[in-house]
Amino acid sequence: GAVVSQHPSWVICKSGTSVKIECRSLDFQATTMFWYRQFPKQSLMLMATSNEGSKATYEQGVEKDKFLINHASLTLSTLTVTSAHPEDSSFYICSALTDRGNSPLHFGNGTRLTVT
Amino acid sequence: SQQGEEDPQALSIQEGENATMNCSYKTSINNLQWYRQNSGRGLVHLILIRSNEREKHSGRLRVTLDTSKKSSSLLITASRAADTASYFCATGKAAGNKLTFGGGTRVLVKP
Repeated sequence: GAVVSQHPSWVICKSGTSVKIECRSLDFQATTMFWYRQFPKQSLMLMATSNEGSKATYEQGVEKDKFLINHASLTLSTLTVTSAHPEDSSFYICSALTDRGNSPLHFGNGTRLTVT
Repeated sequence: SQQGEEDPQALSIQEGENATMNCSYKTSINNLQWYRQNSGRGLVHLILIRSNEREKHSGRLRVTLDTSKKSSSLLITASRAADTASYFCATGKAAGNKLTFGGGTRVLVKP
């Protein structure tokens, strides 16, 4: 159980376009989802915490107008990279938290974004 | 800044050997978790140890936690080529709270 599906797994887009990444919890309800960014051979950097029905909480230094997060239902959160530039190229990973204390995070398989 | 720092950054061993990696953190925690990441994939949860626990086992994995030293270790016994991956520790300050990940240890198990 506790499967998180992330889509697409990879995307190539042109500079200036926007890209939407979806994160779905398939067999559980996720009141909280997290979005991470990972550069090659580096750790995960938390970008924002997404709570169903409320505005996302962004980490310091993350532009909320650049990275739009929508958590419209208990099973879906989306991250939209607006007006993408080559420096936005990265591996984006979502994770979801079940509604239990001390529970581990369940991760999607990530999205490799390449902006040309 | 990253809460957890892992050591070593990379580890290369022969199949059958044990692999040990360490994680240090700076602030008080509620729990510490270890995750595994295969190249280009998401993270898979391995084991969670609570702040009031000192040791935990899961199959070939053994995790220790020393809150006085603010450190944890992950031991993989009798390693297999399939254990090749990056391993991350992550700390949580409260139940259900966001996690802060360490820099990771890249483990290569040679057949």
